[in-house]
Amino acid sequence: ETGVTQSPTHLIKTRGQQVTLRCSSQSGHNTVSWYQQALGQGPQFIFQYYREEENGRGNFPPRFSGLQFPNYSSELNVNALELDDSALYLCASSGENRGEQYFGPGTRLTVT
Amino acid sequence: AQSVTQLDSQVPVFEEAPVELRCNYSSSVSVYLFWYVQYPNQGLQLLLKYLSGSTLVKGINGFEAEFNKSQTSFHLRKPSVHISDTAEYFCAVSEVKAAGNKLTFGGGTRVLVKP
Repeated sequence: ETGVTQSPTHLIKTRGQQVTLRCSSQSGHNTVSWYQQALGQGPQFIFQYYREEENGRGNFPPRFSGLQFPNYSSELNVNALELDDSALYLCASSGENRGEQYFGPGTRLTVT
Repeated sequence: AQSVTQLDSQVPVFEEAPVELRCNYSSSVSVYLFWYVQYPNQGLQLLLKYLSGSTLVKGINGFEAEFNKSQTSFHLRKPSVHISDTAEYFCAVSEVKAAGNKLTFGGGTRVLVKP
């Protein structure tokens, strides 16, 4: 059983640029959630995708957007990067018993 | 909306001593409860979960937690810690509903196990 994978591991971008982060869900899972974890804080929910449709969104501006593909992998896109977007971005997948989520290792984004 | 409060930001503890990490939550609906561990520069690993049934939940690595509905708490305990338990621990809740289960996390408790 393959776990949740994310790419890239690390990324450095300049303020104003755009970034795309990728996530492959665990085998058999149809739901992907994205979280932002700033340094020293708990993860904050960005949004969730269920069977290719957005299924809930946290308190993040529209420049944070996403996609889910037919194989249930997912992308997180952030436009017009700001310094405060520097964080660890975590992807989590879950199945029909959606009480439990499995996390990937994260992508560390640094905005300079 | 839910919220989670982890009452201790840091907990120093000696090796082989017991540890308790406190978690209180607020929600107007029924919730699932989770504890996750995060080792340096890594993602989150599920330690244990409460979905229903027995209020005493046993997890991996010798951890257990007790759900107390009247006190809206879900404290995590381990009777004897190891150096390898040094990590950040997060309590989280999600609503019990048919579709969608966003997790709301507490701010984390950093456990430092000293020899």
